[in-house]
Amino acid sequence: NAGVMQNPRHLVRRRGQEARLRCSPMKGHSHVYWYRQLPEEGLKFMVYLQKENIIDESGMPKERFSAEFPKEGPSILRIQQVVRGDSAAYFCASSGGTNTEAFFGQGTRLTVV
Amino acid sequence: QQPVQSPQAVILREGEDAVINCSSSKALYSVHWYRQKHGEAPVFLMILLKGGEQKGHEKISASFNEKKQQSSLYLTASQLSYSGTYFCGTEYSGGYQKVTFGIGTKLQVIP
Repeated sequence: NAGVMQNPRHLVRRRGQEARLRCSPMKGHSHVYWYRQLPEEGLKFMVYLQKENIIDESGMPKERFSAEFPKEGPSILRIQQVVRGDSAAYFCASSGGTNTEAFFGQGTRLTVV
Repeated sequence: QQPVQSPQAVILREGEDAVINCSSSKALYSVHWYRQKHGEAPVFLMILLKGGEQKGHEKISASFNEKKQQSSLYLTASQLSYSGTYFCGTEYSGGYQKVTFGIGTKLQVIP
């Protein structure tokens, strides 16, 4: 009974490289959310997706960041040309619908050097 | 808009009680409570929907005052395992679940 799976757990990228973060939701869940957490800070909403659709991306930076949740396969958060300020923990959560609990993955800790 | 949590940090001795508050400047549709231990994923505690309900399990309960646009989390007879950062998340409209989290309340329970 696997939970939300994120990989990699830790990712190191040099400035200017691309980072790809993957999230496989819980079985049966079609709602995926991405959050960013900086040290000693809260969880900042980035994007909410359902299968093949971006529902709300109001928390995503306009440039360099994109997200997708294809019909088959995991959800991907992609950060192009990473900068040091992108270093953070990125959490993915999934739920089966509205007003239901969301389960979080273990997060991907991105470090940009 | 981010909900405001108070206090920002609290230290308790085992067996003591604590209240964590979460308030919003906008009308709330629902409030979600999570606990996160250092280096781990946030873990769901409970959801409260508008209607002024109160929920709880074991020694952790919460209330939701729709008129005051706030929620409170009550921890009674605290245990060491309660230590962590507690986040409230607020949803401002139904239809889909975009949850906006506060910056959290750090709770440390000491023997």
